[in-house]
Amino acid sequence: EVQLVESGGGLVKPGGSLRLSCAASGFTFSSYSMNWVRQAPGKGLEWVSSISSSSSYIYYADSVKGRFTISRDSAKNSLFLQMNSLRAEDTAVYYCARESRSRDSFDYWGQGILVIVSS
Amino acid sequence: DIQLTQSPSFLSASVGDRVTITCRASQGISSYLAWYQQKPGKAPKLLIYAASTLQSGVPSSFSGSGSGTEFTLTISSLQPEDFAIYFCQQLNSYPLTFGGGTKVEIK
Repeated sequence: EVQLVESGGGLVKPGGSLRLSCAASGFTFSSYSMNWVRQAPGKGLEWVSSISSSSSYIYYADSVKGRFTISRDSAKNSLFLQMNSLRAEDTAVYYCARESRSRDSFDYWGQGILVIVSS
Repeated sequence: DIQLTQSPSFLSASVGDRVTITCRASQGISSYLAWYQQKPGKAPKLLIYAASTLQSGVPSSFSGSGSGTEFTLTISSLQPEDFAIYFCQQLNSYPLTFGGGTKVEIK
């Protein structure tokens, strides 16, 4: 059974940093591109970042470029999101999501982790 | 960036109704469109990929169609468990984008 479990969220002050992790199991992690998607309270979904299976291709939304860094460790079956220079508008539930092999959907999602940026 | 415009943003329907949600892309995205269902406090769930392919385990009452710039999600007979928010997503090019969502509520 495919499982994605996020951790590392919490309350952080503006300008602070946080590192999210996503532990993957039930599939060959090294074969799939992975993504982070966020959802501000009461709002829609916003794609944040993607990383290819080999980490060769990395993409970011303009809203986080230069502040967030996506990475993965296939030996540990884990996906990460290093978030620096956090702002109030980064407050959201962050989901990790697996991209399908045919790159036409996000077929599995984690349960989400809440990040609150507030003084 | 490719904008996705969903309509309506809200709809009120009864159990057994046929419901159609539209997603329009600001430029052609071939069939790189997915639909998701999200219930309160839960992660999105994949319903349809490649515009019209039903994800395994999803009821056949859900269907998707379209290509290029106009897409639809249809629920042929609305069930109580279908009341949720529905999002479309384009995976044709980065940045990946989602539609604003359609909330389906009980009339």
